[in-house]
Amino acid sequence: GAVVSQHPSWVICKSGTSVKIECRSLDFQATTMFWYRQFPKQSLMLMATSNEGSKATYEQGVEKDKFLINHASLTLSTLTVTSAHPEDSSFYICSARTGVRETQYFGPGTRLLVL
Amino acid sequence: QKEVEQNSGPLSVPEGAIASLNCTYSDRGSQSFFWYRQYSGKSPELIMSIYSNGDKEDGRFTAQLNKASQYVSLLIRDSQPSDSATYLCAVNSAGNQFYFGTGTSLTVIP
Repeated sequence: GAVVSQHPSWVICKSGTSVKIECRSLDFQATTMFWYRQFPKQSLMLMATSNEGSKATYEQGVEKDKFLINHASLTLSTLTVTSAHPEDSSFYICSARTGVRETQYFGPGTRLLVL
Repeated sequence: QKEVEQNSGPLSVPEGAIASLNCTYSDRGSQSFFWYRQYSGKSPELIMSIYSNGDKEDGRFTAQLNKASQYVSLLIRDSQPSDSATYLCAVNSAGNQFYFGTGTSLTVIP
């Protein structure tokens, strides 16, 4: 149980394009989903927290107009990187949990390379 | 002060030894505690959760929680080379904020 999927697992795009990453909880309903970014050999960095049906809460320094998050259902959240630039190249990981005390389960991550 | 602190390591242990990973947290009202393992290039995977003071064992892994000392640890018995990874401590604070430590890199030497 507690499986989280992400799609795509890999994406290469040209600078200036937008990229959408999907995060799905496959066997449970996720009241909250989280989006992280991780650069090589660095720690996980929380970008934003999204609750189903409400606006995402972004961490300080994360541009909400650049990283659009939609949590339309209890099993799906999407992250859209708008007008991607090479410095956005990173490993994007989502996680999901069922309740406030519950464990976060991570998706397998999406590697984004912006050329 | 960071919410969750871990020694970044690297920690090296010989195969078959006990690896001990430590974590402290700042919010005394924290209720839930987790250990994740992250292999290089992969996303974190849950190893154990612990909610009450004391020890919780699962196979070769034992989580220990001491709320009075605001300390949580993970012991890995009979360490294997496949245990080589970064171990992340995570804490769900009293305000229901989820905080990760920066991780401890463990290398098990054959």
